[in-house]
Amino acid sequence: SQTIHQWPATLVQPVGSPLSLECTVEGTSNPNLYWYRQAAGRGLQLLFYSVGIGQISSEVPQNLSASRPQDRQFILSSKKLLLSDSGFYLCAWSGWGGRAEAFFGQGTRLTVV
Amino acid sequence: GIQVEQSPPDLILQEGANSTLRCNFSDSVNNLQWFHQNPWGQLINLFYIPSGTKQNGRLSATTVATERYSLLYISSSQTTDSGVYFCAVKGVTTDSWGKLQFGAGTQVVVTP
Repeated sequence: SQTIHQWPATLVQPVGSPLSLECTVEGTSNPNLYWYRQAAGRGLQLLFYSVGIGQISSEVPQNLSASRPQDRQFILSSKKLLLSDSGFYLCAWSGWGGRAEAFFGQGTRLTVV
Repeated sequence: GIQVEQSPPDLILQEGANSTLRCNFSDSVNNLQWFHQNPWGQLINLFYIPSGTKQNGRLSATTVATERYSLLYISSSQTTDSGVYFCAVKGVTTDSWGKLQFGAGTQVVVTP
């Protein structure tokens, strides 16, 4: 069966420090991968979307970047964190195609201080 | 891109009550999912339902794709049903294909 791993679960980082969040998927190949952010409140904002290695679609201009160095690995990064980067970050995967169901990791709660 | 609207934004229920949550979307979709976000933030898959009706225990969902809406029914609500319920869709157009877009959610509180 397929599983998705996301770590760390919580992170407290100072303003101006770098960030690296990692997400890996097991039990499937060539998944679509997603990074979302949920700020205080409810909405989930799609940040990045990837259909394959090295293929990243950025949905919202921001202080963050994403990379997909391997088929089942998706990394969210920042060179210098801002206070506004605080939030709950969720990674998700789905099978290839528009009809495929999506599944989410446990999330990382990031606090920038 | 495709727009997803959920209503009501907030819902307070007494244990045992029934409720209906609604999701409207602005364009044709390939995929529609309902999620429940628990107090720890985890998103739990409830239904994958681009069309038709499904039931899972006390929960059921109906999507009328031609009229661009979906409904989530909660029957005999329990305190464990509390949390935020999200609707999410993937559109069929070039700019929305494959991208799972979320509504703002419905915050449900079930009181004993």
